[in-house]
Amino acid sequence: TQLLEQSPQFLSIQEGENLTVYCNSSSVFSSLQWYRQEPGEGPVLLVTVVTGGEVKKLKRLTFQFGDARKDSSLHITAAQTGDTGLYLCAGADSNYQLIWGAGTKLIIKP
Amino acid sequence: GAGVSQSPSNKVTEKGKDVELRCDPISGHTALYWYRQSLGQGLEFLIYFQGNSAPDKSGLPSDRFSAERTGGSVSTLTIQRTQQEDSAVYLCASSLFFMQGILSVGELFFGEGSRLTVL
Repeated sequence: TQLLEQSPQFLSIQEGENLTVYCNSSSVFSSLQWYRQEPGEGPVLLVTVVTGGEVKKLKRLTFQFGDARKDSSLHITAAQTGDTGLYLCAGADSNYQLIWGAGTKLIIKP
Repeated sequence: GAGVSQSPSNKVTEKGKDVELRCDPISGHTALYWYRQSLGQGLEFLIYFQGNSAPDKSGLPSDRFSAERTGGSVSTLTIQRTQQEDSAVYLCASSLFFMQGILSVGELFFGEGSRLTVL
């Protein structure tokens, strides 16, 4: 059974600080997606990474896919209160089905 | 509408009753997913529909759960004889699933969910 482990499970930091959250597996994924979910809403896609070693930047968010396509990280620079939410990663397995991590709950304090 | 629509947004029911949850996906999306999410937790896969193919029911937790998708569009998730442990938010998502040389998982568009409370 393929598993995606996200860490930390919970993170609370002050506005302006930097942070990194991780998504790790022993399995290879053909692609990996990061979603953010706010309370009372469904998850919204942030990025899809496909190539090993790929780095994508969205403003203050930097996503990296591991060289072996088994892990990924999300780095946020100068966090803002609007970054608060549940961050979920999802990897596509060899059958193109999505395997979901349990999420990192991020709270940015003003 | 432009997005995925789910109804009801909230449902409170008594243990033992049946409930139906509805999902209206984005027009033209061939893939439709149902997930269950407990408070603050990740997503538990329930069932997946792709075009006219047989659905992937591997995530359904018991035979009390069933789902259908009519005409390749609207889907209904039915929970029979509800139990308290069924209380959760049920999320529906749709996506395009297309071939671009290789099969690819597209972006999933989620509805806001149906919050089910079983008393």
